[in-house]
Amino acid sequence: SQTIHQWPATLVQPVGSPLSLECTVEGTSNPNLYWYRQAAGRGLQLLFYSVGIGQISSEVPQNLSASRPQDRQFILSSKKLLLSDSGFYLCAWRLGTTEAFFGQGTRLTVV
Amino acid sequence: GNSVTQMEGPVTLSEEAFLTINCTYTATGYPSLFWYVQYPGEGLQLLLKATKADDKGSNKGFEATYRKETTSFHLEKGSVQVSDSAVYFCALLMYSGGGADGLTFGKGTHLIIQP
Repeated sequence: SQTIHQWPATLVQPVGSPLSLECTVEGTSNPNLYWYRQAAGRGLQLLFYSVGIGQISSEVPQNLSASRPQDRQFILSSKKLLLSDSGFYLCAWRLGTTEAFFGQGTRLTVV
Repeated sequence: GNSVTQMEGPVTLSEEAFLTINCTYTATGYPSLFWYVQYPGEGLQLLLKATKADDKGSNKGFEATYRKETTSFHLEKGSVQVSDSAVYFCALLMYSGGGADGLTFGKGTHLIIQP
């Protein structure tokens, strides 16, 4: 069966520090991968999605970047965090016509 | 482009009340439709889905029917419980088979059930 792992679960980082969040999927090949962000009390904001290794589509211009170095690995990064980067970050995957499956999320607080 | 519209809430109900959360969509074609639920501090979980017109998805007492004529996928439950308190997301998927992505979410509805 397929599983998705996202870590860390919580993270507190100072303004100006770098960020790296990792997401890996097991049990499937060539999935579409997604990074979403939720601000407190808000809906999902699609940040990036990827349909294959090295293929990244950015939905919102911002302080973040994404990479897909391996088929089932999706990384969200920042060189210098801003206060406004605080939020709940969710990784998800889907394949073909199936629904999307989500990780448990990372709560990022920038202080 | 594709879009999903749902009430944002919060929707506050008493335990054992009847629940309806409206969801309408705009899509060029015939999408698959989904309801997801998000409990506090967690990721989204698929609650139910329907892949073609007139399909009814159901799970844990929740139901939703894919209505092509009204482009709707309203979520219903006959008797809600305190444990149903969560945020509910309606979503659609237009599968193109190509590189473009066709997954679209509504803004989420915060449901609060009071004992």
